[in-house]
Amino acid sequence: QSALTQAASVSGSPGQSITISCTGTSSDVGGSNYVSWYQQHPGKAPKLMIYDVSNRPSGVSNRFSGSKSGNTASLTISGLQAEDEADYYCSSYTSSSTPVVFGGGTKLTVL
Amino acid sequence: EVQLVESGGGLVQPGGSLRLSCAASGFTFNNYAMSWVRQAPGKGLEWVSTISGSGGSTYYADSVKGRFTISRDNSKNTLYLQMNSLRAEDTAVYYCVRSRGVIMNSYYYYYYMDVWGIGTTVTVSS
Repeated sequence: QSALTQAASVSGSPGQSITISCTGTSSDVGGSNYVSWYQQHPGKAPKLMIYDVSNRPSGVSNRFSGSKSGNTASLTISGLQAEDEADYYCSSYTSSSTPVVFGGGTKLTVL
Repeated sequence: EVQLVESGGGLVQPGGSLRLSCAASGFTFNNYAMSWVRQAPGKGLEWVSTISGSGGSTYYADSVKGRFTISRDNSKNTLYLQMNSLRAEDTAVYYCVRSRGVIMNSYYYYYYMDVWGIGTTVTVSS
């Protein structure tokens, strides 16, 4: 069982906006500004999309945005495109015995 | 171009050993902590281990502690993962990852992972 909770799947139509949530505890998401999000297409390596809750690396589309409220972080993708169809994983610093935790992943389907 | 290239994966019997390597290029290797992250078939991402830039601090997931050893050779810009006493549940794609964070009082404060290799597949089966 993953330390961070994500919905297994989410879907949306081209042009729409969707939000993927990542719920943890005060020991990880709630107690840290170090939440990151990764996109993974089938058979490919993950790619960093958001770091430090809401920052975008150079080259990542501004259609991707991140936020956090309490113990839940969110990734919002606006103006959905077919190429956004992928798995998305959240990750966070944690004060537990293991320093890195991932969510279970959310599969985004673009209808 | 910043690049990480893993090698060393393969088929190994339960109880066997394997050493993964990761060749880094395009950045000052010893300035960064490095990690291994794995993904079992059809499953999510699992952090395995992290090593500091100097190699002086190492961290492991409970699932591999005592069986896996992470190390690095900064003169060769290479990261390693020695895997012993392998189990079927270690079957996964193993990714080499550049990690951002700080180490304070021997604790690793993880921020994010910004560069990923393409992965190498490890299969543990008889």
